[in-house]
Amino acid sequence: NAGVTQTPKFQVLKTGQSMTLQCAQDMNHNSMYWYRQDPGMGLRLIYYSASEGTTDKGEVPNGYNVSRLNKREFSLRLESAAPSQTSVYFCASSEWGETQYFGPGTRLLVL
Amino acid sequence: QKEVEQNSGPLSVPEGAIASLNCTYSDRGSQSFFWYRQYSGKSPELIMSIYSNGDKEDGRFTAQLNKASQYVSLLIRDSQPSDSATYLCAVIPWGQGGKLIFGQGTELSVKP
Repeated sequence: NAGVTQTPKFQVLKTGQSMTLQCAQDMNHNSMYWYRQDPGMGLRLIYYSASEGTTDKGEVPNGYNVSRLNKREFSLRLESAAPSQTSVYFCASSEWGETQYFGPGTRLLVL
Repeated sequence: QKEVEQNSGPLSVPEGAIASLNCTYSDRGSQSFFWYRQYSGKSPELIMSIYSNGDKEDGRFTAQLNKASQYVSLLIRDSQPSDSATYLCAVIPWGQGGKLIFGQGTELSVKP
C-alpha cells in the first residue's frame, strides 16, 4: 500500500520548457488535489478534482493545467515554465471533506 | 485578512515542556479543522482533526476548538526534540466542500 506517489522527485527546467508532474493514489479516494508550497506561504491549492471526471481551479491556477486520467491518477502540466513556478509541488488525495493524505512532493527549479 | 493565520515562529520550548500552537480563521461557518506536521524536506502528515467545540486528545497531543472565538490550537505535552517541525493548521471554510485552506505554518524547535 504505497499511499500517494509522485514523479519525478526533482526536476530542473529552463524557462519556456514544459513538463508534466504525475500523481497516483491507491487508497480508492474520490478526490485529488495539487498544491504548491513556497517559503513562508504555506500550501496553496492549484487545482483539484472532487471526483473522477471533474476538475476545478484552486487559489493559484494560472500557468497550470490538470488531467484526471482515472480514479487513481491526477497529473499537473506546466505548458511554459516560468521562474515564478519554482516551488515544491504536493499531490494529495482524500474522500471529499475528509483528511487529505499527501505524496512525497516534487521539487521544481525553473531557471 | 488571511483566511487562516498562524504565528510563523520559530517557537522554541525546552524538552519536556508544553508547546502551544495557535491558529485563527476568518470564516465563521468553517466546520472542519486539521493539524498537520511537516518535517523539513518532507510532506505534511496529519496529527489531529477536530470538528466540534472543545478538546480532543490523542496521546501527547490535544487539539482545542473554539468556534465562537474562531481559533483552534494544538498542545503538545512532554515535548520531545523529535517534535521539532513545522505545524500547519488547515480549515475547510463553509461551502468549500473538501478544499483545505492552510495557514503559513509555525516552526517549533524543542531544545534538549
